[in-house]
Amino acid sequence: EIVMTQSPATLSVSPGERATLSCRASQSVSSNLAWYQQRPGQAPRLLIYGASTRATGIPARFSGSGSGTEFTLTISSLQSEDFAVYYCQQYSNWPPLTFGGGTKVEIK
Amino acid sequence: HVQLVQSGAEVKRPGASVKVSCEASGYTFTGYYMHWVRQAPGQGLEWMGWINPNSGGTNYAQKFQGRVTMTRDTSINTAYMELTSLTSDDTAVYYCARDSKPLGFGELMEGGLDVWGQGTTVTVSS
Repeated sequence: EIVMTQSPATLSVSPGERATLSCRASQSVSSNLAWYQQRPGQAPRLLIYGASTRATGIPARFSGSGSGTEFTLTISSLQSEDFAVYYCQQYSNWPPLTFGGGTKVEIK
Repeated sequence: HVQLVQSGAEVKRPGASVKVSCEASGYTFTGYYMHWVRQAPGQGLEWMGWINPNSGGTNYAQKFQGRVTMTRDTSINTAYMELTSLTSDDTAVYYCARDSKPLGFGELMEGGLDVWGQGTTVTVSS
C-alpha cells in the first residue's frame, strides 16, 4: 500500500498571502495524484487531478505540481473561502486508493 | 445538475449492520463507477471500495473484505453500501463519490472523484 504523507499538518497564512502545501508518496505514483479541499462540515471537493490539472470550476489561484514522489499544491492568494483542510490522494497503484493525512490551512 | 443525495444519519449498536444509500441525478447513473469513502471523527479520508453500476461488479479495500457489500438499483439510480459487524471504530461519516471517468473512456480515477454526496453519519454506540 502506498503511504501518502502531507506537510505541514497545519499552515497559518494571512488572507492574500501564498500557501504552499506538500505531499509525499512512499513510492512513485507518476502523475496519478489528486488534491481535494474540505471545508468544515462539508464533503471533499476535487481541486486537481493528474497532479496539475484543475478540475472544472476551480479558480486559477489553485495550482498543482510535481511527479514521482513529491507534489505541491499552491494557493497563490488566499481568499476567506480557502481556509479548509486539503488532502492529496494517489491513484497509481491501487486498490487501495490512499489519501494523505491532510493539511489544515488556517487564518494567521 | 449532477448530484448525489445520501440517506440520513444512523445510530447502531455494536454488532449490527448499516446500509447507506446514494441516489444519483443529473447524469447517466450506469455510466460512471461509484466509490465509497469514510471519515472518522477528526480524521482523514479512507477509501472503502467501488461498484460498477452498469455490471454490479465491485472491488473492496482489503480492510473491509467480508464486512462490506456494495450494490445498486438501476431502476432508481441508487447505490448502496452495507457494512456489517459494526464496532465503535466504524463511527464515521460515509460518502459516496463518483469517478469522473465515464465507463469505457479511460482509466478509473484518471480524473479524480468529481462529485460527492453530502455524507451520512453513522454512529455505533451501546
